[in-house]
Amino acid sequence: DADVTQTPRNRITKTGKRIMLECSQTKGHDRMYWYRQDPGLGLQLIYYSFDVKDINKGEISDGYSVSRQAQAKFSLSLESAIPNQTALYFCARRQVERNQPQHFGDGTRLSIL
Amino acid sequence: AQSVTQPDIHITVSEGASLELRCNYSYGATPYLFWYVQSPGQGLQLLLKYFSGDTLVQGIKGFEAEFKRSQSSFNLRKPSVHWSDAAEYFCAVATPGNMLTFGGGTRLMVKP
Repeated sequence: DADVTQTPRNRITKTGKRIMLECSQTKGHDRMYWYRQDPGLGLQLIYYSFDVKDINKGEISDGYSVSRQAQAKFSLSLESAIPNQTALYFCARRQVERNQPQHFGDGTRLSIL
Repeated sequence: AQSVTQPDIHITVSEGASLELRCNYSYGATPYLFWYVQSPGQGLQLLLKYFSGDTLVQGIKGFEAEFKRSQSSFNLRKPSVHWSDAAEYFCAVATPGNMLTFGGGTRLMVKP
């Protein structure tokens, strides 16, 4: 989705490094989400934010933190990366109105050696 | 808590053949249901959604899905598959707060 931009698209790093994945959206939507995708598991929710001051843990938040710097920006950090955090990471946005779907970015492929 | 099961991990069909991808969900109330498609190297694109009303919903790229409450299913169908449909397909259910739970995905391969 061109309206959700994720950077970088690919990253290889070493165990113990701090990593930040960035996400920005141009639609001005309040709600933003971070997911990770592992083969056979679909997408699992890491964190979500309903507003700049409203940040919530998802089902697999351990080892991750987030920052909502502005309505348009939602960053995901791995403070000390470990190999089992190797995955494909997706950011999504959603309008606050009812019956609106989530729209996804193209993902960041993260490999931790 | 809600859950989604996609029983078929891989499906192979011939180009021009019909397609049905299965999705079963578990959720206590009326579900909001989605199908997304992920092409290689791409993000997830919304194919179609069901919130209420007509249980047969039409989506993009010639796909449709039917909500069957009695079977807790939301199967995706296409009458004639094209080679460009090869991708991974995800079914998802949302709570009224719109937290999505995804199935494990079905990878579709299309034979020429």
